[in-house]
Amino acid sequence: NAGVTQTPKFRILKIGQSMTLQCTQDMNHNYMYWYRQDPGMGLKLIYYSVGAGITDKGEVPNGYNVSRSTTEDFPLRLELAAPSQTSVYFCASSYSSASGDDEQFFGPGTRLTVL
Amino acid sequence: RKEVEQDPGPFNVPEGATVAFNCTYSNSASQSFFWYRQDCRKEPKLLMSVYSSGNEDGRFTAQLNRASQYISLLIRDSKLSDSATYLCVVNSVDSNSGYALNFGKGTSLLVTP
Repeated sequence: NAGVTQTPKFRILKIGQSMTLQCTQDMNHNYMYWYRQDPGMGLKLIYYSVGAGITDKGEVPNGYNVSRSTTEDFPLRLELAAPSQTSVYFCASSYSSASGDDEQFFGPGTRLTVL
Repeated sequence: RKEVEQDPGPFNVPEGATVAFNCTYSNSASQSFFWYRQDCRKEPKLLMSVYSSGNEDGRFTAQLNRASQYISLLIRDSKLSDSATYLCVVNSVDSNSGYALNFGKGTSLLVTP
């Protein structure tokens, strides 16, 4: 199993550009998550999904959109990139997490810089 | 008050030393507790869950004090490979998301020869 994979690894965007961060997991996990990690800060939840066709906002959803058309894929869309979105983005998945006690498996991250 | 607070360190310790990290959380309704490890420029990985009775995994011991809302991680006989950032993670019920995993900012450990 490859686990959780993310592409691209690095990206530089200009202000106002858009892009999609890809995330795929091959563990047949129901739950998937997007986090951002700013330097010296804890991970913040952007969006999460409890299954195909179901998504919900996390703590910091503004400026982002997600979709979950399949169990495996959970892309994160940035519209109109802003410097405040410069961060490292981690995708994660877990088998089930009705109570939040399942281990989350993280992808390697995407380092995004918006100039 | 932040949800999860940790001493950021860095903790610089020699090989073989014992080091302890502390973490406090603000939501008394929290149900699940974890320590994750994050190497430099890498993704977080689960180190261990933390149970009410305390638990041990080799050189690592985690303890939970619900009354004081306090979690600890003890590393014995430190190895160079233990150098990393240790993230305290606590779940809590969130009105928007049903539950949320709250990550501390992490405690940095450097083990030196």
